Amino acid sequence: AIQMTQSPSSLSASVGDRVTITCRASQGIRNDLGWYQQKPGKAPKVLISAASTLQSGVPSRFSGSGSGTEFTLTISSLQPEDFASYYCLQDYNYPLTFGGGTKVEVK
Amino acid sequence: EVQLVESGGGLVQPGGSLRLSCAASGFTFSSYYMNWVRQAPGKGLEWVAYIKQDGSEKNYVDSVKGRFTISRDNAKNSLYLQVNSLRAEDTAVYYCVRDVGYCSGGNCYTVLDYWGQGTLVTVSS
Repeated sequence: AIQMTQSPSSLSASVGDRVTITCRASQGIRNDLGWYQQKPGKAPKVLISAASTLQSGVPSRFSGSGSGTEFTLTISSLQPEDFASYYCLQDYNYPLTFGGGTKVEVK
Repeated sequence: EVQLVESGGGLVQPGGSLRLSCAASGFTFSSYYMNWVRQAPGKGLEWVAYIKQDGSEKNYVDSVKGRFTISRDNAKNSLYLQVNSLRAEDTAVYYCVRDVGYCSGGNCYTVLDYWGQGTLVTVSS
């Protein structure tokens, strides 16, 4: 199975900060990667597919980049509603595998 | 409005079985791949299984192969997960998830766009 290594596992930030989360795949996965946001007690929500395609209704402060083995999720200006956990998901092949998650907390 | 409502979770002893159900509404259920994803308490997400629209293709994470079976009844707009030989490490919230995957530029992508609220399975003696 493809291993997805996400970093950092947690970070502290303030409203307005630029936040970057990285995901590395154990082998090349083209751009077959999505990003998901999960708030406490809630189901995850898809933000980005195909490494950089913003899903409908997702604010433009979220962006994704990367291809092959290294991927990045960037929040350009952190908003109060963005404090949550974020997961990458490779869909290059089965079994689908998630990264370990990044918890974005208030500084 | 798309809705996915799971049921069937509960407390079960190691080695026991459960049948998880997911009732779908608000969309043409038979047109979508469906998945189960789980999350152990305080832990990350783990994809468990998928099933094709007509049930002809299924796939599982290695840790559940031979113990879990995904199925669907398109006439009843329902997804199921039969979980057998349960272990403590199967304790998790199990989510029913729709895949609105698409193809572009020669690649096809999985997009897990709608998730249920989850059903908790606790395996303990």
